[in-house]
Amino acid sequence: AQTVTQSQPEMSVQEAETVTLSCTYDTSESDYYLFWYKQPPSRQMILVIRQEAYKQQNATENRFSVNFQKAAKSFSLKISDSQLGDAAMYFCAYRRPEGFGNEKLTFGTGTRLTIIP
Amino acid sequence: NAGVTQTPKFRVLKTGQSMTLLCAQDMNHEYMYWYRQDPGMGLRLIHYSVGEGTTAKGEVPDGYNVSRLKKQNFLLGLESAAPSQTSVYFCASAGFFQETQYFGPGTRLLVL
Repeated sequence: AQTVTQSQPEMSVQEAETVTLSCTYDTSESDYYLFWYKQPPSRQMILVIRQEAYKQQNATENRFSVNFQKAAKSFSLKISDSQLGDAAMYFCAYRRPEGFGNEKLTFGTGTRLTIIP
Repeated sequence: NAGVTQTPKFRVLKTGQSMTLLCAQDMNHEYMYWYRQDPGMGLRLIHYSVGEGTTAKGEVPDGYNVSRLKKQNFLLGLESAAPSQTSVYFCASAGFFQETQYFGPGTRLLVL
């Protein structure tokens, strides 16, 4: 079974600085998808960024980028120029490829990010 | 475009009572999911559906039932609520060959 591990329950960063959130996963599949979701105090789950395992290029969305190391099964999220609105719980998630009949997400336990003004 | 909506937003139940949570999506998505979120455990899949009229069990299905009579709706039922079912419930949907799941705002359920 696939597992997703987020080893940092809490992180904090000064406003405008850069922070990296860690995520590792375990799978025997060669093709899969990885995601970072943000959950602010409103509880809404918001997709931040996604990565296809077959793509070597790291995904980027504005101030958010990932460092995807397939061999190491590592998928970290870097937030540049941190803003107060980035304060939230961040979840790493894994999804198997199409065709297995169960395209569910497997989530990590989350990292709570605090932004210090 | 409302996306994924959930009803109700918050509910308090007594042990043994029953209730149904409604999830609706307006994106014509084939796949729909129910997750529960508990402190320190991330989100865990309860049940899911790959199309109208189909349902399947996820990781933690015990104590829950689901139905997908219409493509846009996915109902989660608790026949006899227990305090262990106190949680925040999230519905999500995804299109066929679409990797991204879109989440509803969540329903907070408290079982006394």
